[in-house]
Amino acid sequence: DGGITQSPKYLFRKEGQNVTLSCEQNLNHDAMYWYRQDPGQGLRLIYYSQIVNDFQKGDIAEGYSVSREKKESFPLTVTSAQKNPTAFYLCASSNLPGQGGHGYTFGSGTRLTVV
Amino acid sequence: SQQGEEDPQALSIQEGENATMNCSYKTSINNLQWYRQNSGRGLVHLILIRSNEREKHSGRLRVTLDTSKKSSSLLITASRAADTASYFCASPSGNTPLVFGKGTRLSVIA
Repeated sequence: DGGITQSPKYLFRKEGQNVTLSCEQNLNHDAMYWYRQDPGQGLRLIYYSQIVNDFQKGDIAEGYSVSREKKESFPLTVTSAQKNPTAFYLCASSNLPGQGGHGYTFGSGTRLTVV
Repeated sequence: SQQGEEDPQALSIQEGENATMNCSYKTSINNLQWYRQNSGRGLVHLILIRSNEREKHSGRLRVTLDTSKKSSSLLITASRAADTASYFCASPSGNTPLVFGKGTRLSVIA
């Protein structure tokens, strides 16, 4: 079955440590996205990519980095520069506009906690 | 993309009742999408309604779109406890990613 997989489900980070969240999709989608969700809040866009080897900053990119070396993969690194990283991170993928608007497919999320 | 504003922020109903939540937006749209998020999970795409459609059904879901009022509504008929979730609307604009608001938190009490 096609889908999008995020791992790990839970992640603990020590102060000053970089951590990488994995996101893999087998839907052949061109576009991939990372969102952050804080309790009781909506989703805020961190980074997105519409083509391999290219990505754009979202609204809250500071303290995060991404890569898009393969169409299927869009890992997110939370760096030590992100001062308040505790949150729920969601990865999504979609076709590009013009390829048929069928909405986004989301992964099940990674909950990151700073210890 | 533009952020949809969902209303109400929270809704509590009894099982079997209908649930209606609303979405308002500011600029013209090509389509509007509704998503559901169960607690601690990712969002699930429920339904997409295009700007030239006025109403769309999917099972117990009914979505309406009023482009003159720049608003949409999601009706869930005969609610079940399993419908308890947050519901979000969003509308794409060009190539920019979807923007999600805070959603409507629906509680269906058995």
